[in-house]
Amino acid sequence: GESVGLHLPTLSVQEGDNSIINCAYSNSASDYFIWYKQESGKGPQFIIDIRSNMDKRQGQRVTVLLNKTVKHLSLQIAATQPGDSAVYFCAESINNAGNMLTFGGGTRLMVKP
Amino acid sequence: NAGVMQNPRHLVRRRGQEARLRCSPMKGHSHVYWYRQLPEEGLKFMVYLQKENIIDESGMPKERFSAEFPKEGPSILRIQQVVRGDSAAYFCASSETGASYEQYFGPGTRLTVT
Repeated sequence: GESVGLHLPTLSVQEGDNSIINCAYSNSASDYFIWYKQESGKGPQFIIDIRSNMDKRQGQRVTVLLNKTVKHLSLQIAATQPGDSAVYFCAESINNAGNMLTFGGGTRLMVKP
Repeated sequence: NAGVMQNPRHLVRRRGQEARLRCSPMKGHSHVYWYRQLPEEGLKFMVYLQKENIIDESGMPKERFSAEFPKEGPSILRIQQVVRGDSAAYFCASSETGASYEQYFGPGTRLTVT
């Protein structure tokens, strides 16, 4: 959905711990979801995606969970590393309806060594 | 294969001047999307173009903003008579087929209006 506010929520984790980043999306018609990682001064980088006919998808060290009932997405990062420090955005899309991505507000992940 | 290229990376303009932001999509990509990002916020869709056509401009402000993607050369996002509120990072993404999951983002242009 639309992002508001001046400050991103921050999640601080210890190196090696697992991280869970949450996102509430706005449109029940959205059928495709993506997590992006954005490092300072750079563009968003694709991490993992999931379609609405799935509720879980795993990648390398990352897992995305989708709960359509409550319109909620989560990104789980296993064994978090300092290089994972960044801002993470979820984005939703309706294929066959313009192809634009609607981004959530973002969460800043800080990994303490 | 070079990724999406944007230039300039940083642009400073005085109020009332024009800003031109350029985006060269990945090789073989003919679909371009422009997004704007204010500090500490997510990206907001502005416009979706294919070669020589504007497909969806529902996110573009009605005045002062325009975009094009000519047959040859980069896509251009043009902001006329810039105001301080235009200060933001502008990102371009490209796609081969127009399917949203294929959008690859450039490094962005940071516009500062003084």
